Amino acid sequence: EIVLTQSPATLSLSPGERVTLSCRASQSVNRDLAWHQQKPGQAPRLLIYDVSNRATGIPARFSGSGSGTDFTLTISSLEPEDFAVYYCQHRSNWPITFGQGTRLEMK
Amino acid sequence: QVQLVESGGGVVQPGRSLRLSCVTSGFRFSSWGMHWVRQAPGKGLEWVGVIGHDGLMTHYADFVKGRYTISRDNSKNTLFLEISSPRADDTAVFYCGRDQTSGYVDYWGQGTLVTVSS
Repeated sequence: EIVLTQSPATLSLSPGERVTLSCRASQSVNRDLAWHQQKPGQAPRLLIYDVSNRATGIPARFSGSGSGTDFTLTISSLEPEDFAVYYCQHRSNWPITFGQGTRLEMK
Repeated sequence: QVQLVESGGGVVQPGRSLRLSCVTSGFRFSSWGMHWVRQAPGKGLEWVGVIGHDGLMTHYADFVKGRYTISRDNSKNTLFLEISSPRADDTAVFYCGRDQTSGYVDYWGQGTLVTVSS
């Protein structure tokens, strides 16, 4: 199975800052990569699919890039509601796997 | 709007099978594949498996090893997950999700907590 490794595990930032989260795949997933956001006590929410397409209702401050094995999620200016855990997920082949998550916490 | 509501969780003894349900509304259930994803307490998301729109195709995570079975009833807009011989490490919140396009979950339910304990 494809292993997705996210870095860093935790980031401490302030509202208004720009942040970039990383996801690395153990083998190429082409552009078959998504990002999900999960807030405490809530279900995850799809943010980005196919590397760079924002899901319905996702603000433009969220963007994704990459291909092959290296991917990033960028939040251009952090809002208070963005502090959460972010997971990457591939769909390149079966089984689907998720990264272990990056926790974005408020400084 | 799309809604997914899981049920069937609770405390279950090791070895006693259980079946989780996911009742859906707001979309044409019979046209969409569906996923199950689990999350152990304090841990990350772990994909369990997927079923095709007509129930003919299923894929599972490697750890399932035949203990989990995904099925669906399109006449009742309902997805199921049967867990046989649950173990302590099956303790998790189980989420159902709609398959956007062959692999992405675009809508998630709120989850149902399964606790395996004697």
